[in-house]
Order: sequence, then C-alpha cells, then structure tokens
Amino acid sequence: GENVEQHPSTLSVQEGDSAVIKCTYSDSASNYFPWYKQELGKRPQLIIDIRSNVGEKKDQRIAVTLNKTAKHFSLHITETQPEDSAVYFCAASQGATGKLIFGQGTTLQVKP
Amino acid sequence: SQTIHQWPATLVQPVGSPLSLECTVEGTSNPNLYWYRQAAGRGLQLLFYSVGIGQISSEVPQNLSASRPQDRQFILSSKKLLLSDSGFYLCAWSVSVYEQYFGPGTRLTVT
Repeated sequence: GENVEQHPSTLSVQEGDSAVIKCTYSDSASNYFPWYKQELGKRPQLIIDIRSNVGEKKDQRIAVTLNKTAKHFSLHITETQPEDSAVYFCAASQGATGKLIFGQGTTLQVKP
Repeated sequence: SQTIHQWPATLVQPVGSPLSLECTVEGTSNPNLYWYRQAAGRGLQLLFYSVGIGQISSEVPQNLSASRPQDRQFILSSKKLLLSDSGFYLCAWSVSVYEQYFGPGTRLTVT
C-alpha cells in the first residue's frame, strides 16, 4: 500500500523567513496531494492541494510543488507569520475512494 | 453550504465499556465518509471509509466497527474499549475523490 514520509518533524523559523516541508510517496498511482494545517486541539484544515497533472500551484504565500518522477512534493510558505505556527500534514490519495494516507506531520514554529 | 457535525466533543470511558461516536453531514448528498484516529502528538490514521449507505471498508483490523445507516450519517462503534483506543477521532467527508473536509472531532480518553 501507499506510504508517505514527511520531513522535517519540527521546523523553527524567524518571522518573515520561508519554510519548506517535504514529503515522499511510494505508490506511483497516487494522483492527489493535499496539505493540511492543524492548530492545537483543532481539526485539520485543507490549505492547498495539487493533482498529478500539475507541477506547481500557488495561493498567496503558500505554494506546493510536485515531482512525479521522483515521487515527492513540497509545501513552501513565504514571509512566515506567527499565525503560521501549527502542525502541517501532507497526504497522498489514489483510486476511486479518495482515501488519504498521511505523513507524520511537521510542527512549524514561527518566532516573532 | 456543507457542514459536518460530530458528537460528543469529548468522552471519558472506562476500559471494557462500549462506544458510539456519531458524524452527520449537512448540505450535500451521497458524500464519501471517513473515520480517522489521531493519537496524541501523532499523525492521522484512516480507520474506515464509506462510499454509500451500508458500504463500509476497514483499513486497520481492530476492535472498532463502523456503520452508515443513512446517506449522511456515519457511526463509529466498539463493544469493549481498550486503553489504546484513546485518541482524537475525526470524521471527514468529500463529494469527489479530491478535497476532503474534517469535522470538529471527538476527544476520547479511555481510563
């Protein structure tokens, strides 16, 4: 079955710097890659996603890139702000059911 | 717009007791429904998913079960809880194989 590895497990940056979180997946049939942000005690929130027919997608300060050949995808956050501090999860999905396999999560701390 | 509800929000149950968690979705028809569990400080593990009434697929063998008695209702159950069942239980829905949205979750503590 699908396996998703996420790195780093923790990331600390200064406000205004960029943050990059990377994920690799094992199943070449996976075709959908969402990213979720989870604040302490809250539900995960979908922040951006990318489908396998696209190499890059951007939404304001957040971007996701996908390399299907290497089977990895990354989340890029520019001009980080303290409110970006949270746990970020990547996931991969394939097939008709849409079931998601999640990475282990990255705790991002943005220092003011 | 679509809304997803879960209850209860928190639950403390003794080992060996039964469990029933409920999830309902409003504002959409025939959604795909999912149950995930998140252990403290850990990632999300898919437990069950359903693509229609009465259709349940299990991802991880364990002492939990799921049912979908109505189109927009998904129930997670157990006959006898274990300590290892403690965690944050999240229901999610989607209307395609893509965007998936989570409910507010139930925080379960088994004592």
